[in-house]
Amino acid sequence: DAGITQSPRHKVTETGTPVTLRCHQTENHRYMYWYRQDPGHGLRLIHYSYGVKDTDKGEVSDGYSVSRSKTEDFLLTLESATSSQTSVYFCAIGGPSDQPQHFGDGTRLSIL
Amino acid sequence: KNQVEQSPQSLIILEGKNCTLQCNYTVSPFSNLRWYKQDTGRGPVSLTIMTFSENTKSNGRYTATLDADTKQSSLHITASQLSDSASYICVGREKLNTGNQFYFGTGTSLTVIP
Repeated sequence: DAGITQSPRHKVTETGTPVTLRCHQTENHRYMYWYRQDPGHGLRLIHYSYGVKDTDKGEVSDGYSVSRSKTEDFLLTLESATSSQTSVYFCAIGGPSDQPQHFGDGTRLSIL
Repeated sequence: KNQVEQSPQSLIILEGKNCTLQCNYTVSPFSNLRWYKQDTGRGPVSLTIMTFSENTKSNGRYTATLDADTKQSSLHITASQLSDSASYICVGREKLNTGNQFYFGTGTSLTVIP
């Protein structure tokens, strides 16, 4: 298995609080991604990074920010969580190429 | 608009039987098409990647086909096992050297029963 660790794996928090999710990789891969997965939707890209301090927005980036200060760590922050951000969040590494993306096991985030 | 559509949404089969999952894609310019398996509570795991020039690729009991003319792909599972119960996700990749180039289907939920 590719070395991708997401933390925490589960989190429950209240509306309006800040939340930070962490993705850590041991593969030294240049590309890292944050997706969210909701019923009835395919995985949707929030933000991605193509190198240290190099990030770009995906299709559902509103309300989220990211940071990548080291190759191995990619952080996703919800500055002021809302109930619509209740979801399962997946980190991935790999691409763009003909090689597969490798996914972490997700963080289940519930915002009450 | 680039998109990927999968059918059926869900499927129940008996252990030992074969099944075929479908994927229609409109991704342009097209680079490759991927199938992933996602077990409950886990992240997706790659099964196959097929480029424009490939029309069949196998991974054990999983065989993917690609018809670039009709923009259709299928995933055939042979002699199903209980461990095949999962969601199967089709992903089309656009030919861009950026990170926002993947288009995910909503998946087919497969349940294999004894």
